Amino acid sequence: EAQVTQNPRYLITVTGKKLTVTCSQNMNHEYMSWYRQDPGLGLRQIYYSMNVEVTDKGDVPEGYKVSRKEKRNFPLILESPSPNQTSLYFCASSLEGGTGELFFGEGSRLTVL
Amino acid sequence: SQQGEEDPQALSIQEGENATMNCSYKTSINNLQWYRQNSGRGLVHLILIRSNEREKHSGRLRVTLDTSKKSSSLLITASRAADTASYFCATDSYSSASKIIFGSGTRLSIRP
Repeated sequence: EAQVTQNPRYLITVTGKKLTVTCSQNMNHEYMSWYRQDPGLGLRQIYYSMNVEVTDKGDVPEGYKVSRKEKRNFPLILESPSPNQTSLYFCASSLEGGTGELFFGEGSRLTVL
Repeated sequence: SQQGEEDPQALSIQEGENATMNCSYKTSINNLQWYRQNSGRGLVHLILIRSNEREKHSGRLRVTLDTSKKSSSLLITASRAADTASYFCATDSYSSASKIIFGSGTRLSIRP
């Protein structure tokens, strides 16, 4: 089954404790992207990747890092989480770069205390 | 920065009625997409319309695009309870097709 898998789905952590949210897709998509969703603000793009070893900033990259060492994986790293990073995070992938249908994961709800 | 802005923010209609949602954007685009999100779940792609298209249909969905007004509308005909969800438009940018920007969404509620 074609899917985008995120882990963990739910996480409560404390300020400053590094964490990684994993994202994996099994559709051989070149394009992958991370979004955060906050009430009233819709989805805002954090980082995206056009292919292996190619990443670029979205609209809200501060406080986040990503890597794309393999085509299927695109982890989101919070080196020193802060409470303003409490949010619902979505990973998405697409076959046609940034201009095609995005396939979304089920989301990761992160709370930073 | 938000490219797409949906209107209205919330819409409540009777089952069987048609629902219309609008999206306005700011810069030239290559394409515009509509997505649905059930509460707290991942977004699901509904339809994509390219900048050289004016109208597109998919089942009970009809999407229009007016590039001169930088706006799009999504019409759901004969609404069903299962259509209750949030709907988002998403646009790329003509200058940066890799950045896909989502609006803040329309919350649609279908009353039985």
